[in-house]
Amino acid sequence: GAGVSQSPRYKVAKRGQDVALRCDPISGHVSLFWYQQALGQGPEFLTYFQNEAQLDKSGLPSDRFFAERPEGSVSTLKIQRTQQEDSAVYLCASSLSNSGYGYTFGSGTRLTVV
Amino acid sequence: GESVGLHLPTLSVQEGDNSIINCAYSNSASDYFIWYKQESGKGPQFIIDIRSNMDKRQGQRVTVLLNKTVKHLSLQIAATQPGDSAVYFCAEINNAGNMLTFGGGTRLMVKP
Repeated sequence: GAGVSQSPRYKVAKRGQDVALRCDPISGHVSLFWYQQALGQGPEFLTYFQNEAQLDKSGLPSDRFFAERPEGSVSTLKIQRTQQEDSAVYLCASSLSNSGYGYTFGSGTRLTVV
Repeated sequence: GESVGLHLPTLSVQEGDNSIINCAYSNSASDYFIWYKQESGKGPQFIIDIRSNMDKRQGQRVTVLLNKTVKHLSLQIAATQPGDSAVYFCAEINNAGNMLTFGGGTRLMVKP
């Protein structure tokens, strides 16, 4: 597609529920990134893929967070046993190069845990 | 730890005036900075970037200034328009080039 597509746009989850957030990067983009953006804050790095390899997951806040990109295109961010502090916008970005230069962000998924 | 931050959370300007949004960074080793614009319900959108070997870069109606001595960035928007209303973030890329560190953002409000 023309841009980075994320789904769903909005997700309301009950505390303790598992959620899966999807990112469709721009076709052919090698690098894919996930960021978490709390209300009124700047995005914070979660994890980075180069093709199907997860090269950096240092930003994942706990072992409840898991990301995958099995075929080097679509990526899924999974959050298990959601908690209220997980409420945020989850942004995906992709880049043609092997680095973060030339990022294109998606519109994000707003997760609300109630 | 190292971080990128902003001085002002909200800036209100009159349409047609120039806007200046400021940002301080603490990692003196950073060599690449980006300004992003984020409108409500959208992801950050690239505006302009600058490398540390430059002190000024101009785009269409926007100028970024970098002062490495005091570790300060600014974004200047000329003839601010209602469509410029958004939250603006500065960000730096890490040495590996694969992670952005964002500041907390400044909300720009343009009054007609």
